[in-house]
Amino acid sequence: QITLKESGPTLVKPTQTLTLTCTFSGFSLSTSGVGVGWIRQPPGKALEWLALIYWNDDKRYSPSLKSRLTITKDTSKNQVVLTMTNMDPVDTATYYCAHMYYYDSLGAFDIWGQGTMVTVSS
Amino acid sequence: EIVLTQSPGTLSLSPGERATLSCRASQSVSSSYLAWYQQKPGQAPRLLIYGASSRATGIPDRFSGSGSGTDFTLTISRLEPEDFAVYYCQQYGSSSWTFGQGTKVEIK
Repeated sequence: QITLKESGPTLVKPTQTLTLTCTFSGFSLSTSGVGVGWIRQPPGKALEWLALIYWNDDKRYSPSLKSRLTITKDTSKNQVVLTMTNMDPVDTATYYCAHMYYYDSLGAFDIWGQGTMVTVSS
Repeated sequence: EIVLTQSPGTLSLSPGERATLSCRASQSVSSSYLAWYQQKPGQAPRLLIYGASSRATGIPDRFSGSGSGTDFTLTISRLEPEDFAVYYCQQYGSSSWTFGQGTKVEIK
């Protein structure tokens, strides 16, 4: 059974750097075709893809946020970490991590974490 | 970046009725890389359809997806009470993912 869980601060101040951790189980991020992505959702708004890291350490970022994002993985700890710099109140959102297995769901995120709400406020 | 536009914004229907949701892309999307999700309040999205028409594990057959190129459709053949939710389409292409703005299916 695949599970993912996001963790990190619930409140950050403007201009600070946000660090979120996705801890997963039930799969290995060293298996060919596997990826873990981050998606966020401001309150009452739509989903927005942020970043994804593949089993081979290939990384992809949202073009509009690329300069602010870094995604890394620690395969031994079954964790993926997302950092976002220069946080602003418009970045207030629920942040989700999600599993993707390219050879099965072809770029779709088939299992999602429960999400973690991050508020940006001074 | 490919922009996905979903319509209508809100669909008001009764249980038992048929729901037809549209997702239009700003440029052609490979059918292999079009997905649909369901999201209920306070919950994470759930994958319904991938590859434009393949149901994800455990998804009832009243959900079906179709389309190609720039026009895709999610159809719910007979709405059950648990189907009232927000639905998002998503595409993967050129190493980037985008989501539509969502369609809310509400009880009439």
